[in-house]
Parts: sequence; C-alpha cells; structure tokens
Amino acid sequence: DGGITQSPKYLFRKEGQNVTLSCEQNLNHDAMYWYRQDPGQGLRLIYYSQIVNDFQKGDIAEGYSVSREKKESFPLTVTSAQKNPTAFYLCASRDTGTGNEKLFFGSGTQLSVL
Amino acid sequence: DQQVKQNSPSLSVQEGRISILNCDYTNSMFDYFLWYKKYPAEGPTFLISISSIKDKNEDGRFTVFLNKSAKHLSLHIVPSQPGDSAVYFCAASAGGTSGSRLTFGEGTQLTVNP
Repeated sequence: DGGITQSPKYLFRKEGQNVTLSCEQNLNHDAMYWYRQDPGQGLRLIYYSQIVNDFQKGDIAEGYSVSREKKESFPLTVTSAQKNPTAFYLCASRDTGTGNEKLFFGSGTQLSVL
Repeated sequence: DQQVKQNSPSLSVQEGRISILNCDYTNSMFDYFLWYKKYPAEGPTFLISISSIKDKNEDGRFTVFLNKSAKHLSLHIVPSQPGDSAVYFCAASAGGTSGSRLTFGEGTQLTVNP
C-alpha cells in the first residue's frame, strides 16, 4: 500500500535537546511538506521541498531544520532554538506531475516538552 | 495575516440535515481551493476541491460552492451523518505563483448528532 509514514507517533523533548521527526513516502511524489498544527490555529507551513536536495522555508521555519537527501524521505529536526515546540506535526507529499494541488498527509507526530 | 479564515470554530447539526461550513479568503491570487477532513490524532484526508474557473463542484453528499466576488467558499454536506463528525479545514493555493503552497484555515469542528 502506498502512503506516507510518520514516526514516532508520540515524542517527548527535554529542554535544550534536538529531536528529529521522520517522514517517509512510497508514493513517488516529488514534493514534500511539513506543517504544524496548534489548537485553533489550523495548519502552518514549516518547510517544503519540491525536489531532492532542495528545500524552502515556509511561514514558521525558525527553530527547525530539514534535509532532502532522498526522494522518499524528508526528516524534520526541531532544534533547541524552537521555544514552543509542543504541537502536532504533519508531513505531506504531492505529485507535481499531475498539476494537482492535492496534498497527501501522514498520520502525524505529537511532540511534547518534558 | 490570516489569508484563509474559517470564522466558526464549531458547528452542530442533526443527522439527516444539511451541514454548511464556511470559509473566507483575502488573497485574490488564490485560484484553487480544497476541503480536508481530520479526525483526532490523524492526518487530514482530502475531501473535495474546486478551481476558480468553476463556481460549484459536487461529489456525492459533498458540494463546494465558490463565490469569487465575495472571496467566499462553502462546503455543503447533505444528508449529514454521525461519521461526518470531524474537523474540516479549507485550504487555498495560488498555483504557480506560490510553488503550490497550501494556506489553511483554522478549521471548523463539525458534530453530527444522531
């Protein structure tokens, strides 16, 4: 079955610690995205990548970093510079070849601060 | 600057009746609109979309209406079912001018009562 896999489902971060959220897709999609969901605020774009070895900042990139070394993988690192990391993180991908704007989402990772 | 706004955080309807979810946008460059449905602790799933060249798109029980002059879209669910209870997000894209970044609204929690 094709899809997007995010892991872990729950993650706890200690103060000053960097943590990495995993996102893997086997849909052969070129574009991948990271969104953050906070209660009552909808989804906000952190980073996105249209192609391997290239990525762009979204609206709230400060305190985060990404890499795109493989088409299938787009990990997100939440650094110690992110002062309010507690949120539900969603990874998504899109098939750029269809001209379709539709995103396919993973099941999310809930990050909490200890 | 909230470019996509869902002014109703919650909506409650009776099973079998119509649910109407509303969304307003401010960016006149948006030309493609989508609705997503989200259950707790899961990723959003695509529901229905509409291009700015249309004013209506229908898929089974779901119909999306677009009023470009008012910068307003709505999602109608008829008849509503208890399984429709979820958070509904509207999203908009400016297509090629934005690199296909979706901008999401805050979401509306729909509760369908049996």
